[in-house]
Amino acid sequence: DTGVSQNPRHKITKRGQNVTFRCDPISEHNRLYWYRQTLGQGPEFLTYFQNEAQLEKSRLLSDRFSAERPKGSFSTLEIQRTEQGDSAMYLCASSLGVGPYNEQFFGPGTRLTVL
Amino acid sequence: DQQVKQNSPSLSVQEGRISILNCDYTNSMFDYFLWYKKYPAEGPTFLISISSIKDKNEDGRFTVFLNKSAKHLSLHIVPSQPGDSAVYFCAATGNYGGATNKLIFGTGTLLAVQP
Repeated sequence: DTGVSQNPRHKITKRGQNVTFRCDPISEHNRLYWYRQTLGQGPEFLTYFQNEAQLEKSRLLSDRFSAERPKGSFSTLEIQRTEQGDSAMYLCASSLGVGPYNEQFFGPGTRLTVL
Repeated sequence: DQQVKQNSPSLSVQEGRISILNCDYTNSMFDYFLWYKKYPAEGPTFLISISSIKDKNEDGRFTVFLNKSAKHLSLHIVPSQPGDSAVYFCAATGNYGGATNKLIFGTGTLLAVQP
């Protein structure tokens, strides 16, 4: 399967713990996005990488959140000192940015539950 | 501020009939629109898109119509099949500064196609 993969698929943690998620985009896709989806809502943009450079961060991304994309390949999203409000589905998407607009291909997501 | 709105949380149609899903947007900077389909426990899957220079785009059973003056788009599925049952998200993007291709999603419409 050459699609976007995300690990783990599910994560249950206790409030105050740190968690890290991984996203492997489609190979040769230079653009990578993180979104968050809560119940009854559509995905909301969190952050964007073009190759290894993080070019935009949403106001939703508090100081407890950090994302990296070393070498422009896979990406990690870390949440420190988790809170119950962080419970959501975290989605990663990638695209090949060779034109004005390109479809983003989404992974299956990581569902985070903070107890 | 909900920039992309899907006012129908759910829609039920009979197999073989037409499904029409609607979407409204408020940001005049949006110039590219996409529809995604989402099954439970999976990430959104790209369905069809349309640029603001067009008013219609067709792909098999799926057609998207764009009315720029009304800031309204719709997705038509003809004929509807039980396998089309899913949540459909409307998304918009534009070169409005910051990350290009950042998608703004609606809240989704749950389509149920009855056999």
